[in-house]
Amino acid sequence: DAKTTQPPSMDCAEGRAANLPCNHSTISGNEYVYWYRQIHSQGPQYIIHGLKNNETNEMASLIITEDRKSSTLILPHATLRDTAVYYCIVTKSAGGTSYGKLTFGQGTILTVHP
Amino acid sequence: EAGVAQSPRYKIIEKRQSVAFWCNPISGHATLYWYQQILGQGPKLLIQFQNNGVVDDSQLPKDRFSAERLKGVDSTLKIQPAKLEDSAVYLCASGTGGTYEQFFGPGTRLTVL
Repeated sequence: DAKTTQPPSMDCAEGRAANLPCNHSTISGNEYVYWYRQIHSQGPQYIIHGLKNNETNEMASLIITEDRKSSTLILPHATLRDTAVYYCIVTKSAGGTSYGKLTFGQGTILTVHP
Repeated sequence: EAGVAQSPRYKIIEKRQSVAFWCNPISGHATLYWYQQILGQGPKLLIQFQNNGVVDDSQLPKDRFSAERLKGVDSTLKIQPAKLEDSAVYLCASGTGGTYEQFFGPGTRLTVL
């Protein structure tokens, strides 16, 4: 699986958009970008994933550059409850013998301030 | 829908003692994962089951760690004997295996003294 690089920490004001970058310059054509977050004392929580196109769901938007070497997770209106560690994970498509294996890095600690 | 259940939530033991953790995945999820998360690090996969068969245990320290998933539902993870460096949160997750969306339990925080 391709390696990802994320800033160790970021701050955001409540109500503003939080933009979390992820670099994955060695991503290959069949690898997806997944985002999870982990709120303090809880297990990680799935947020969103994508292959090539931008994706949006009720939690966030995922913007993947055209060359797929980087992506940005956008929380449109951050709240205090969005304070968490955010993990960007690149992994091959599910199925076959992989059965959904995820490799977590250090992630980005996002702190949302009042 | 009930989430992934884990017990106990906290455990304190002395080194060289044994400990076991239990996980009940979301009903119908064929894939079950055990992760170890050391303070300040991301979760590390220890073992992955598909139904009651092991798919990946490449990072499981097999000299002291063991895991089983009876009847393809509940799972237990055992450490025997424990070392100081085993102090961590042990997370269980389940999924359908067809996607990478995994559902995590709250974890068991183990402290080895």
